[in-house]
Amino acid sequence: AQTVTQSQPEMSVQEAETVTLSCTYDTSENNYYLFWYKQPPSRQMILVIRQEAYKQQNATENRFSVNFQKAAKSFSLKISDSQLGDTAMYFCAVSGAGSYQLTFGKGTKLSVIP
Amino acid sequence: EAQVTQNPRYLITVTGKKLTVTCSQNMNHEYMSWYRQDPGLGLRQIYYSMNVEVTDKGDVPEGYKVSRKEKRNFPLILESPSPNQTSLYFCASRGLGQAAGELFFGEGSRLTVL
Repeated sequence: AQTVTQSQPEMSVQEAETVTLSCTYDTSENNYYLFWYKQPPSRQMILVIRQEAYKQQNATENRFSVNFQKAAKSFSLKISDSQLGDTAMYFCAVSGAGSYQLTFGKGTKLSVIP
Repeated sequence: EAQVTQNPRYLITVTGKKLTVTCSQNMNHEYMSWYRQDPGLGLRQIYYSMNVEVTDKGDVPEGYKVSRKEKRNFPLILESPSPNQTSLYFCASRGLGQAAGELFFGEGSRLTVL
């Protein structure tokens, strides 16, 4: 069984500032993958970043980076230089390497304030 | 263009009137899944399919049916809708052997049951 916990239902950040969204997870898999998805007001689900659990190096995608702490089962998302277009719901998710099932957290609603 | 297409995008119906939400993908993906999204609950999986004629229950299958007669299509059927099935529904797909890969989502179907 897999679980994902996002402890911050809502957050806000000033434009151009940095914000970190928290995510903890639990899985019985030895190898797994972690994801952050973004859902803007358009409702479209967009993959932001992914991390393979066996890789030590934290993934980065432009202004988005993760802090992956495997022992603590923590997978936080850092958004640097926040932009108005970053306003969205963000979902953390986990998938076992031998499975195609994604388990999502409940989401964090991020508002970027001009 | 690679895409997952859902129809209808919006639907208002009444209790007990059977309805089908269609889902089609053009990426030759083996894996397809249905999720429902509710405020404060995130995305919860309803049903999934690993390939043609292979379907299985997710976390919240009650009141829903699916079929996978063709690889590209995975319709969601509500035989007798009830108000608690009012929700935002997403279809998604992914290729086998791509457990680390992106889960492609449709644009969502907003269903209201009166």
